[in-house]
Amino acid sequence: GAGVSQSPSNKVTEKGKDVELRCDPISGHTALYWYRQSLGQGLEFLIYFQGNSAPDKSGLPSDRFSAERTGGSVSTLTIQRTQQEDSAVYLCASSLGRRNTEAFFGQGTRLTVV
Amino acid sequence: AQSVSQHNHHVILSEAASLELGCNYSYGGTVNLFWYVQYPGQHLQLLLKYFSGDPLVKGIKGFEAEFIKSKFSFNLRKPSVQWSDTAEYFCAVTRQAGTALIFGKGTTLSVSS
Repeated sequence: GAGVSQSPSNKVTEKGKDVELRCDPISGHTALYWYRQSLGQGLEFLIYFQGNSAPDKSGLPSDRFSAERTGGSVSTLTIQRTQQEDSAVYLCASSLGRRNTEAFFGQGTRLTVV
Repeated sequence: AQSVSQHNHHVILSEAASLELGCNYSYGGTVNLFWYVQYPGQHLQLLLKYFSGDPLVKGIKGFEAEFIKSKFSFNLRKPSVQWSDTAEYFCAVTRQAGTALIFGKGTTLSVSS
């Protein structure tokens, strides 16, 4: 596609429910990143994919968070048993995955846990 | 662990004032450096980048940044800001391909006309 696409753009869920957030990277981009953006916290790194594997998942805040990527393309971030502190904007970015390349960002999914 | 520090949380300037936003990183090896900007209601977009070569890089909208390796810094500058520069600015660092892109906490710039 022309850019990184994320869905849904907004999600309101009840505390304790599971949510899935989707990211469609730019076609041909092998690297994919997930971030969480909260007020005053900047962009918190969650996980990085190169192809379908995740060489760095050090930013996932708890075992309630998981992500997968299939076919070297679409990625899904899953949050189980959501808590109110999970409320944030979840951003996805992709890049060519080679040295000296930049990342392109999607519009994000605004998650609100009530 | 690699980290990025942005020293200014919120900067308030009048139009035509000069801007400098600080960014320091902790990793000592070869790095790629970026500044991203997020205008109100919009997604993050690249302002400028440094990969190698001339340490003074120029980006869009009159912004520039200087990489000083000895100081582990990559400060963003603009000689004369405009009201339309009101946005949040993020510094980011990555090592060679295959590692994560790490961001600072961001600096909110408010420019009054």
